[in-house]
Amino acid sequence: GAGVSQSPRYKVAKRGQDVALRCDPISGHVSLFWYQQALGQGPEFLTYFQNEAQLDKSGLPSDRFFAERPEGSVSTLKIQRTQQEDSAVYLCASSPQGVRGQETQYFGPGTRLLVL
Amino acid sequence: ILNVEQSPQSLHVQEGDSTNFTCSFPSSNFYALHWYRWETAKSPEALFVMTLNGDEKKKGRISATLNTKEGYSYLYIKGSQPEDSATYLCVIPGANNLFFGTGTRLTVIP
Repeated sequence: GAGVSQSPRYKVAKRGQDVALRCDPISGHVSLFWYQQALGQGPEFLTYFQNEAQLDKSGLPSDRFFAERPEGSVSTLKIQRTQQEDSAVYLCASSPQGVRGQETQYFGPGTRLLVL
Repeated sequence: ILNVEQSPQSLHVQEGDSTNFTCSFPSSNFYALHWYRWETAKSPEALFVMTLNGDEKKKGRISATLNTKEGYSYLYIKGSQPEDSATYLCVIPGANNLFFGTGTRLTVIP
């Protein structure tokens, strides 16, 4: 399909494990975003790429979180030494250009991470 | 950080009822507001992008209004159907990201 896809859809990890979450944006979209949605809350910004450049990573909650988009298309969000508080839905979105104003972001279905 | 509030948090209505819910946001430096619809296990789907004070947008049975001076937007659903059951997210763009409300979770009871 032509939409944003994410994998895996569900991930159960033991505390201390490393996990990698993948996002395939819509082909040709310049901007890519990662969001974290904890239970009962709205999604919160983690990081933003324009092509391969990570322009904003101010939302990453700790240095255990790392994101990359080496060729300006697929992105991976890596969480090292997972903690229970990392349990959340991780949403990826892409947009044709930037975020400001009228441009719609296209979201993937999310990866639901549960850390035991 | 931009505070976007939505109410109510959840809502149950009977099939055929009309309903509405609210998004409140800071009125200063407003640029745009987006409404998204998020069904369980699916991707959030864009409904409306609103930019002008007094804007009214409509898509089928769903419509939205915008008041940028007082900082609120209403989303209306006329004659709710079970397929309208979803979480409705209000979103305000920031410089490099989006600020989300917590959503209104709508359940339409057949």
